[in-house]
Amino acid sequence: EVQLVESGGGLVQPGGSLRLSCAASGFTFSSYSMNWVRQAPGKGLEWVSYISSSSSTIYYADSVKGRFTISRDNAKNSLYLQMNSLRDEDTAVYYCARENSGSYSNWFDPWGQGTLVTVSS
Amino acid sequence: SSELTQDPAVSVALGQTVRITCQGDSLRSYYASWYQQKPGQAPVLVIYGKNNRPSGIPDRFSGSSSGNTASLTITGAQAEDEADYYCNSRDSSGPHVVFGGGTKLTVL
Repeated sequence: EVQLVESGGGLVQPGGSLRLSCAASGFTFSSYSMNWVRQAPGKGLEWVSYISSSSSTIYYADSVKGRFTISRDNAKNSLYLQMNSLRDEDTAVYYCARENSGSYSNWFDPWGQGTLVTVSS
Repeated sequence: SSELTQDPAVSVALGQTVRITCQGDSLRSYYASWYQQKPGQAPVLVIYGKNNRPSGIPDRFSGSSSGNTASLTITGAQAEDEADYYCNSRDSSGPHVVFGGGTKLTVL
């Protein structure tokens, strides 16, 4: 079964740091690009960051650029998101998602169950 | 970066057909994908590419595209289709991808 499982969420004070992990199983992790997507309480989905299969290409949303760092360890089938200088507005459920691509399209499937990050004093 | 615009809410009578739309400049170049999200659950892919359904998605879900608008159609909506629906696509003017704001579908 193809599966993604996030961990590492929790309560952190503004300005603090947190590292999220996403464990992949059931597919050849090293062959796929991966993404982090977040959802603030009661809000829509917001793409956060992308990493290619070999880590050679990385993108960030403007809202997190310079504060968040995406990485992966293909030997451990794991994806990470290091979040520094956290702000109240970073409070959200964070999902990891596998990226698939075709002609003029890409799509996210599967998604993990999400991990909640709460930034509050 | 580009934006994708969705109607915030749509309703449909049980068994009827409903179309959920997504507008944006990036859709002139890229197909949208569509996700269903029920309360407290992770998003689930329902349509990708030109009009493809993942395994396990009922054939009452279909996708189409014209110009800058992509559409998700549910033919014969069921009570279990009540959910939030999000579109996304490659971002033609930004770093990677963009999501629509989501449409809350109510099945009456």
